[in-house]
Amino acid sequence: QVQLVESGGGVVQPGGSLRLSCAASGFNFRNDGLHWVRQAPGKGPEWVAFIGHDENKKDYADSVKGRFTISRDNSKNTLFLQMNSLRPEDTAVYYCAKDHAVTEDLFDYWGQGTLVTVSS
Amino acid sequence: AIRMTQSPSSLSASTGDRVTITCRASQGINSYLAWYQQKPGKAPKLLIYAASTLQSGVPSRFSGSGSGTDFTLTIRYLQSEDFATYYCQQYYGYPLTFGGGTKVEIK
Repeated sequence: QVQLVESGGGVVQPGGSLRLSCAASGFNFRNDGLHWVRQAPGKGPEWVAFIGHDENKKDYADSVKGRFTISRDNSKNTLFLQMNSLRPEDTAVYYCAKDHAVTEDLFDYWGQGTLVTVSS
Repeated sequence: AIRMTQSPSSLSASTGDRVTITCRASQGINSYLAWYQQKPGKAPKLLIYAASTLQSGVPSRFSGSGSGTDFTLTIRYLQSEDFATYYCQQYYGYPLTFGGGTKVEIK
């Protein structure tokens, strides 16, 4: 079955960096687009970034553009999110999610999430 | 960005009730609309896509309708496991955006 397992979250000071990872299994990883979606405490989900199946396409929310970088390693079935210049408003649970099997740009499987806290 | 507005933000209902949640897009999105269910401490779960197509494994008491700017999620015969927060999401264009959520609580 499809599994997505995030790691790399933690507490970081404003201005700091973190790198999130998402280990995938149970589907043909190199064929699917992947996303990062975050959810601040008590808020709704917010889409963060997308990467196409072969890194041919990337897109970012305006709130993270220029600070976050999405990448993937198809040989290791792993998705990454490099987060630099972190701000308190980046505090959230970060989920990786895969593109729907039939229709792109919606999410049919999600990981369990990893918490990122930006605080001094 | 396309703004998604859900109403109500919360509602109270009893098991067996019929519940309707509305989602409005700030511009036309054809039928590029998905609905998710989220329970506390868990990731969202896809229920419906293309406004009215039930995701595999989702009970048929869930249904969706609408196109353009106005959409509805209906839950017939509300079950105890349906008490959760529901979100709509548009995938007509980037940035992908979600509604603010509707919390369905036990009356």
